[in-house]
Order: sequence, then C-alpha cells, then structure tokens
Amino acid sequence: QSALTQPRSVSGSPGQSVTISCTGTSGNVGRYKYVSWYQHHPGKAPKLLIYDATERPSGVPDRFSAFKSGNTASLAISGLQPDDEAHYYCCSYAGSPTWVFGGGTMLTVL
Amino acid sequence: EVHLLESGGGLVQPGGSLRLSCAASGFTFSRYAMTWVRQAPGKGLEWVSGITGTDDGTDYAAYADSVKGRFTTSRDNAKNTLYLQMSSLRAEDTAIYYCVNAWTGHWGQGTLVTVSS
Repeated sequence: QSALTQPRSVSGSPGQSVTISCTGTSGNVGRYKYVSWYQHHPGKAPKLLIYDATERPSGVPDRFSAFKSGNTASLAISGLQPDDEAHYYCCSYAGSPTWVFGGGTMLTVL
Repeated sequence: EVHLLESGGGLVQPGGSLRLSCAASGFTFSRYAMTWVRQAPGKGLEWVSGITGTDDGTDYAAYADSVKGRFTTSRDNAKNTLYLQMSSLRAEDTAIYYCVNAWTGHWGQGTLVTVSS
C-alpha cells in the first residue's frame, strides 16, 4: 500500500505551464486506466480535475490535461492563474475496493 | 445533485472509539463502492478504507495497513449511509475524515476526528 510518488512542489509564473508526475506500480497506475487527479485548496473538499487518466469532467477548463504511460501518470496545467495555487493529488484504483493516493504536490504560482 | 455528508467526528481519548456516518444522496448508493479518505494535520490525503457496492447482495471491505484490525467499514443501503467504526484510536488517527465516491469523484466536506487526552 505504498503511496504513489509525486514531486513535493512545483512552481510557475502566471501564464506559464507546469507538469506534475505521478509514479506508481504495475499493480495500480500501470494496471488500470482509473487514475484521477484532484485539486485541493485548504479548508475545502478536493475537486476532481481528471478521471480515467485523461478525461475532464464538465466544468473543468481545458487548461488542465493529463496522460498516462506505463506506471506514470502526469497532469499538465497551462496558462497558470493565481487560483491554481493549491495541492494536487493523483489517485489510482488498485483493485476492488482499494485506491491509493500520491503524496501530493504543492503548486506555487509565482 | 450528489451530496455526501459526514458526521460523528469529535474529540476522543487515546484507546477510545468513535463511529463516523456518511449520508449519501443524488445517486444510486447501493451500486457504488465507497471510500473513506483522511488528511492528518500538515499531511497529504490517505486512503483509509473501501467497501464494494452491493448489487449482488454482498459487500467486502478493505483497509489500509495503518488501520487494519481497528477500523470497520459498513454500509446500510436502505438508509443510503456509509459507516466507519473506529476503535483503539491513536494520536496519529487525528485527521479530517472524508467520505468519497471515488468512481464519480464526489467528496463530502469531511469531519474532524481528534485523538487526544
């Protein structure tokens, strides 16, 4: 039940792009397409940004995109805005009924 | 609209017990596996437990190693409610506990559990 590996922090200036990686194993990220990404502002419930590795729920801007290859998933954010400053978590299905989260990445918008 | 509403958090002494509830609405509760996730102060999100949906009349729960043997997850589909029975609580169980439908990405607002003497 090891957590998925994410960088502890990333940063970028307004308008720039950043990418956050999420590395798992052949038992979770590498095995299932069910990888999701969440944005978490302090004091609020996490917000779903991406599901099924690459799909955006309605209402999530297309500045947020994601992809998966092998045991690694990635979240890309383009056109950084001040409100994007938050913690970002990846989450992978690991077999019924278990899930595993990444350690979280703090995005700072400089 | 999907709603998940946790309740039952509070202050409990080490070694004590607490039962969390999560009232669900806006979706066919029985069909979905449900999940408990927690966030300790200053830490990231941690999967705590999951329970399968019960379309076939049975369900199965799984637990993180950190809570196995101390926590029990159950569900009452007639009441659209998920439960987390926590016992032998430790200081390191202090966290906000979230009820989550990980398949749809919906989270409750969380309930705070504080384990302290």
